[in-house]
Amino acid sequence: GAVVSQHPSRVICKSGTSVKIECRSLDFQATTMFWYRQFPKQSLMLMATSNEGSKATYEQGVEKDKFLINHASLTLSTLTVTSAHPEDSSFYICSARGPSGGPTDTQYFGPGTRLTVL
Amino acid sequence: KNQVEQSPQSLIILEGKNCTLQCNYTVSPFSNLRWYKQDTGRGPVSLTIMTFSENTKSNGRYTATLDADTKQSSLHITASQLSDSASYICVVSALVPYKYIFGTGTRLKVLA
Repeated sequence: GAVVSQHPSRVICKSGTSVKIECRSLDFQATTMFWYRQFPKQSLMLMATSNEGSKATYEQGVEKDKFLINHASLTLSTLTVTSAHPEDSSFYICSARGPSGGPTDTQYFGPGTRLTVL
Repeated sequence: KNQVEQSPQSLIILEGKNCTLQCNYTVSPFSNLRWYKQDTGRGPVSLTIMTFSENTKSNGRYTATLDADTKQSSLHITASQLSDSASYICVVSALVPYKYIFGTGTRLKVLA
């Protein structure tokens, strides 16, 4: 099956610094990738939809200047949390949409990145 | 409003027992329904996918059902194992625009 990787798996940073998280589709090309965040005991919340070669579409309430998304190639999307604060501490998960582009496409999820801001 | 509700929120069962998780949705236009398993600290992994015309789909000890008329789905786990301890998430896809609507999940714990 399709594999999506994320790097790093865990990151601890100081308040005010920026953190970059990478999401890669390893064996297929993904024109669309998604970024989610998940708080403890809650379900995934969609932050933004990332399309290769164009600007990301952000969900309501998500600050695009704080969560910078770049989808420069068909296999890589990055999420940069700028000027991170403790309230940004969360589990960030990316997914890549399956290759056919149809309505029944499966999203393949990465293993997630645990961000802790001190 | 597109919503997916799951019950129960949490469940504890003994190893070897069966259990059934429920999912009710109000998503339109409906495309398909998926059940995912999410281990703690990991990304979700797809278990089953069902489109409008499918009533049941099995994947090993997991069997999902779908009643498109009542907009309900269930996930039945047979002969549970300790490794089944996880969160199970019901995800419904809207057709247009393409979007996943996530349920809040059921946290299952299987005890020895």
